[in-house]
Amino acid sequence: NAGVTQTPKFQVLKTGQSMTLQCAQDMNHEYMSWYRQDPGMGLRLIHYSVGAGITDQGEVPNGYNVSRSTTEDFPLRLLSAAPSQTSVYFCASSSRTSGNYNEQFFGPGTRLTVL
Amino acid sequence: DQQVKQNSPSLSVQEGRISILNCDYTNSMFDYFLWYKKYPAEGPTFLISISSIKDKNEDGRFTVFLNKSAKHLSLHIVPSQPGDSAVYFCAASDDNTGKLIFGQGTTLQVKP
Repeated sequence: NAGVTQTPKFQVLKTGQSMTLQCAQDMNHEYMSWYRQDPGMGLRLIHYSVGAGITDQGEVPNGYNVSRSTTEDFPLRLLSAAPSQTSVYFCASSSRTSGNYNEQFFGPGTRLTVL
Repeated sequence: DQQVKQNSPSLSVQEGRISILNCDYTNSMFDYFLWYKKYPAEGPTFLISISSIKDKNEDGRFTVFLNKSAKHLSLHIVPSQPGDSAVYFCAASDDNTGKLIFGQGTTLQVKP
């Protein structure tokens, strides 16, 4: 049971480049979410999904797209990277069946730098 | 505006003593509160939670207290151990939505 996995661990982009941060979980959790962590600001919710085919915006969605075609995967896309998107990105998952949506399992994070 | 605030960026305690981490919130709609622990280069790990219908929840060495009238919660760790050294985030949610609002975090150092 790998839990929540994220790739890549580190990434450097130039302004305007696009990329996809991958997130997968093997716990059959219906709920998945993306957060970013910036110094002095805690974690902020970007997008979340309560099941395959269903996504919604969180606190800071601008500049990011998501899709949820399977229960396991929840990729986060940056269409045109900006220096303000330099951050550490965490993916998380949870399930009402085994707990509640709030008690989330987090991946190890992706550290993204945009030059 | 910061709806969940941890006003102490850091805390240092001696091994075996009590650690008390504090958190304040402004949104009276929050009804579920959690504490997460984070080690460097790892994702946060869920530690303990409390629903607004309770004022205390205990799990081993960890106890969370909720004071709804003051919009304040605290995490007590007794006794503190060096392995508890980490960043602690409090988080709040409005119902069981999974949409967590996090505080800025408090770095706890437990000295041997």
